[in-house]
Amino acid sequence: QKEVEQDPGPLSVPEGAIVSLNCTYSNSAFQYFMWYRQYSRKGPELLMYTYSSGNKEDGRFTAQVDKSSKYISLFIRDSQPSDSATYLCAMRNSGNTPLVFGKGTRLSVIA
Amino acid sequence: DGGITQSPKYLFRKEGQNVTLSCEQNLNHDAMYWYRQDPGQGLRLIYYSQIVNDFQKGDIAEGYSVSREKKESFPLTVTSAQKNPTAFYLCASIGQSYFYGYTFGSGTRLTVV
Repeated sequence: QKEVEQDPGPLSVPEGAIVSLNCTYSNSAFQYFMWYRQYSRKGPELLMYTYSSGNKEDGRFTAQVDKSSKYISLFIRDSQPSDSATYLCAMRNSGNTPLVFGKGTRLSVIA
Repeated sequence: DGGITQSPKYLFRKEGQNVTLSCEQNLNHDAMYWYRQDPGQGLRLIYYSQIVNDFQKGDIAEGYSVSREKKESFPLTVTSAQKNPTAFYLCASIGQSYFYGYTFGSGTRLTVV
């Protein structure tokens, strides 16, 4: 079992839809959870950051962490064509350990 | 502006050649990382360094080498021992506050010709 599982998609939705992206993980020591957005042929950029369990909201984006289920989610409300990108979940335990990434989900928002 | 600069953007390697990918940051970050990205594979860790003159192997270090002689620079050499080097290579760094996650460079696309 891989440490982090993420459905690679592709996921195609109409403009204005609510998008749900998810990752599951196996390492119960993970405490820091992140979502990165990557446009084609570019480096990833940090989108959301969450520590431990709970929700975090930033504009149209909401990140949720359920440590009891080892499950994290990213919701995008009122999706726009500019949201079309690959979304990568990433996580790590405490200390200076490197991030472990999911495979990424490719999202297309159709106008 | 502070950031990470990767060069070149595109690189072509002949069979049996060693090539070096450059990564420079002016963020005063301590830790630097190299990841490889293949279609459908996500990001896989090659090497990382948390301090000058020290580095650790990641999950797929075979066929790669690195050095960290300066805080700002973390070059990656893809050796001829790496049998399938065609991929998108990403360099990242992080400062004292791990809260903020990595800052990534714009990547180098390496192709074997």
